[in-house]
Amino acid sequence: AQRVTQPEKLLSVFKGAPVELKCNYSYSGSPELFWYVQYSRQRLQLLLRHISRESIKGFTADLNKGETSFHLKKPFAQEEDSAMYYCALSRSPGGSYIPTFGRGTSLIVHP
Amino acid sequence: DVKVTQSSRYLVKRTGEKVFLECVQDMDHENMFWYRQDPGLGLRLIYFSYDVKMKEKGDIPEGYSVSREKKERFSLILESASTNQTSMYLCASRSDRRVTGYTFGSGTRLTVV
Repeated sequence: AQRVTQPEKLLSVFKGAPVELKCNYSYSGSPELFWYVQYSRQRLQLLLRHISRESIKGFTADLNKGETSFHLKKPFAQEEDSAMYYCALSRSPGGSYIPTFGRGTSLIVHP
Repeated sequence: DVKVTQSSRYLVKRTGEKVFLECVQDMDHENMFWYRQDPGLGLRLIYFSYDVKMKEKGDIPEGYSVSREKKERFSLILESASTNQTSMYLCASRSDRRVTGYTFGSGTRLTVV
């Protein structure tokens, strides 16, 4: 069964500090991984897909198949980054593309 | 702008009522999903559908059913609402082509009293 683990419920940093939100997954196939963000009172928005290898709002995430991790990083946190972040995994081609989400990490960036 | 629209932002229902939550997407997506979102538990999949009239149980289907009569619409039904179904309900959709990620609606906050 596929599983996504976000070990931190809450991450609190000061503005300008580096941020790393951890995500570990368990899945025997080739995963498709995402990071979603939910700002206060807004809908979930896609932040990153591992396939696209983009940098969105200064965030990056690298898939490490050896460690089965997809940690989200940003070198300098901003107050507007305060939000709930969810890591998600979807099965590779051939599966039914059911997304499984982690429990989320609340990021608070203090001024 | 692509859209997933959930008909109600807030709902208050009584225990035992039959409740319908509606979700409509305008992106011609094949796949649609219903989640409930609870603090500390993240998003848990209730049901999903990969085509019209097709449905599959997710991780927590008990007490819920769904209907997908048209491609753009996916309804979640609480047959007899209970207080433990008080939650935020999120609808999502995605194309089979998987060009983008999953697109979410803004959610329906359901309170069962």
